[in-house]
Amino acid sequence: DGGITQSPKYLFRKEGQNVTLSCEQNLNHDAMYWYRQDPGQGLRLIYYSQIVNDFQKGDIAEGYSVSREKKESFPLTVTSAQKNPTAFYLCASSETLNTEAFFGQGTRLTVV
Amino acid sequence: QKEVEQDPGPLSVPEGAIVSLNCTYSNSAFQYFMWYRQYSRKGPELLMYTYSSGNKEDGRFTAQVDKSSKYISLFIRDSQPSDSATYLCAAGTYKYIFGTGTRLKVLA
Repeated sequence: DGGITQSPKYLFRKEGQNVTLSCEQNLNHDAMYWYRQDPGQGLRLIYYSQIVNDFQKGDIAEGYSVSREKKESFPLTVTSAQKNPTAFYLCASSETLNTEAFFGQGTRLTVV
Repeated sequence: QKEVEQDPGPLSVPEGAIVSLNCTYSNSAFQYFMWYRQYSRKGPELLMYTYSSGNKEDGRFTAQVDKSSKYISLFIRDSQPSDSATYLCAAGTYKYIFGTGTRLKVLA
């Protein structure tokens, strides 16, 4: 069953801790993305990767880091430098940049 | 000015109505356009993808793009209560900018 899997679905973190969100796809897509969704603000792009071993900052990359060591995996680390990390995080993939993008079911991160 | 603007709603319609959802964008370089449906606490589901002006139809959904006026629309025919969700438009070139979403309620 092809798709994008994000885990965990819910995540709680203490202030000052780093946390890594998982995103795996079995669609054989080259491009992958991370978005953040906050109420009333829509989706904002954090990082994107056109191809394995390459990634670029999006519009709100500060306080986040990513890696793309494998085609199917694009983990996002939310660092302690991110001032407002509580949000709904969405991972997406597409065959290439500018083709249709498909989303995972999201991870809701709460900082306590 | 946001690059992609969308009325947040909520938009309430009776079951069976034709729904019109709209977005405007400011960057004339945008070439690719998508519409998503998002249920509460779920990931967005792709409904339509298009890269040219004109209409594209898929079942009860029609996407319309007017590049000259930088206006994109999604029409839903014979709307159902299960269509109640937030609808997101997206536009871009090598990366996509999303609107804030329009909340739709279809009343039985």
